[in-house]
Amino acid sequence: ETGVTQTPRHLVMGMTNKKSLKCEQHLGHNAMYWYKQSAKKPLELMFVYNFKEQTENNSVPSRFSPECPNSSHLFLHLHTLQPEDSALYLCASSQEVGGGGNQPQHFGDGTRLSIL
Amino acid sequence: AQKVTQAQTEISVVEKEDVTLDCVYETRDTTYYLFWYKQPPSGELVFLIRRNSFDEQNEISGRYSWNFQKSTSSFNFTITASQVVDSAVYFCALRGGMDSSYKLIFGSGTRLLVRP
Repeated sequence: ETGVTQTPRHLVMGMTNKKSLKCEQHLGHNAMYWYKQSAKKPLELMFVYNFKEQTENNSVPSRFSPECPNSSHLFLHLHTLQPEDSALYLCASSQEVGGGGNQPQHFGDGTRLSIL
Repeated sequence: AQKVTQAQTEISVVEKEDVTLDCVYETRDTTYYLFWYKQPPSGELVFLIRRNSFDEQNEISGRYSWNFQKSTSSFNFTITASQVVDSAVYFCALRGGMDSSYKLIFGSGTRLLVRP
C-alpha cells in the first residue's frame, strides 16, 4: 500500500481509442505528477500540478491531456496515441512548501499502456 | 543543466555479497537534493533516501548505506549482505533547490540481480 493508487494497472488500446488513466493519492499531498517510463530511457516528467494548478508541461504532445479536479485526484486523458506512446505511466505526489524541492515524491504502481 | 549518470546498467551478485551502485550528478545549483528510489518488478518506485547538498554526513539504514561526496559529485549506494529481495532497478535522482518547478531528474537506473 503506497498511498498512491493508479488505475487501470494495464491498458491495451488502439490508436483511435480514447481512454483515461486515473491516479488518487491518500497522503494529503498538494502536488501531483505524471511520468512516462519507456524501455531504455530515463523516467520523463510529463506534467506537474500544485494545488490543482498545472505548473509544468514538459513539452508533452497534445494527445495527452491532464486533468486535476482536486489535490487528491489526477487524470491523464489519452486520444489518438501512437505506438511509441507504449510505456509505463507513473503517477506521483509530494507535499511541497514553496519552491523548496526537498520533499520526496511518492509513486503509484503505474499503468502499463500498450498501443496497438 | 542538471544531469544524473548511473554508469552501471546491470549488476549481478550472489546473495550475501556487498554491492555498490554508483551515482554521479551535475548541477550548478549550490543547494540541491539527491534521492534514491527502488523499483521492484511490480513497477512502483519506492523512496529510499533524500540527501541535502549541505549535509555531507554518510547515512546507514540497516543493510543500506549512502556515501555522499560533493568533491566528486557522487552519491553512491551500498547494500551489505545482499538478499534476493533486493533485486530491482535502482534510480538516483536530483532536484535543484533554486528551481521552482519541482523537476526531479532521474538517472537511467541500475538493474540489480541478486542470485541465491
